[in-house]
Amino acid sequence: EAGVAQSPRYKIIEKRQSVAFWCNPISGHATLYWYQQILGQGPKLLIQFQNNGVVDDSQLPKDRFSAERLKGVDSTLKIQPAKLEDSAVYLCASTEWTAGGYTFGSGTRLTVV
Amino acid sequence: GIQVEQSPPDLILQEGANSTLRCNFSDSVNNLQWFHQNPWGQLINLFYIPSGTKQNGRLSATTVATERYSLLYISSSQTTDSGVYFCAVLPKGGSEKLVFGKGMKLTVNP
Repeated sequence: EAGVAQSPRYKIIEKRQSVAFWCNPISGHATLYWYQQILGQGPKLLIQFQNNGVVDDSQLPKDRFSAERLKGVDSTLKIQPAKLEDSAVYLCASTEWTAGGYTFGSGTRLTVV
Repeated sequence: GIQVEQSPPDLILQEGANSTLRCNFSDSVNNLQWFHQNPWGQLINLFYIPSGTKQNGRLSATTVATERYSLLYISSSQTTDSGVYFCAVLPKGGSEKLVFGKGMKLTVNP
């Protein structure tokens, strides 16, 4: 079974620029998550989708972050404008059902300079 | 919200040694997973173990849900076991999102 695909693997941008990350979950997985992991910490949930609807975006900084999951498959996460504190690894995960095991992608390491 | 505490925070071993990682959680859970984060940042699922005991090669895990803890055992450690180990739980009755501990950094020296 193919895993969760993410791109790009690495991105370096200047503060105030914009950036977008892409995620393709495991086929058939209805639930998709975006997590942010700052160096030295555990991942923290940014947003959770069930099919193409948002279930939880309470931790998403909506003034600068946005995410969508059109057609209930692929998802994109955007940051505009980026701040230095956005430097982190952005992880995408999917589950077949909400209490099932999570499978994570390889992540995108963002550096804001 | 639920609290997830991992111990020890860091561990250094010689190759071949055994180790036990502990995860305590403050409330009932529907799911518990152990992950290994490799040096490239990818989270690799080791066990999906809301209760009971599972084994996979040199690794095994036990979750005692009624006492709110889980243990990850690594036997005959290898240098490739190095990395950060995370325990993550899905709280019961709350919002359905996986909550992570702070992680435990394991270094296995040759």
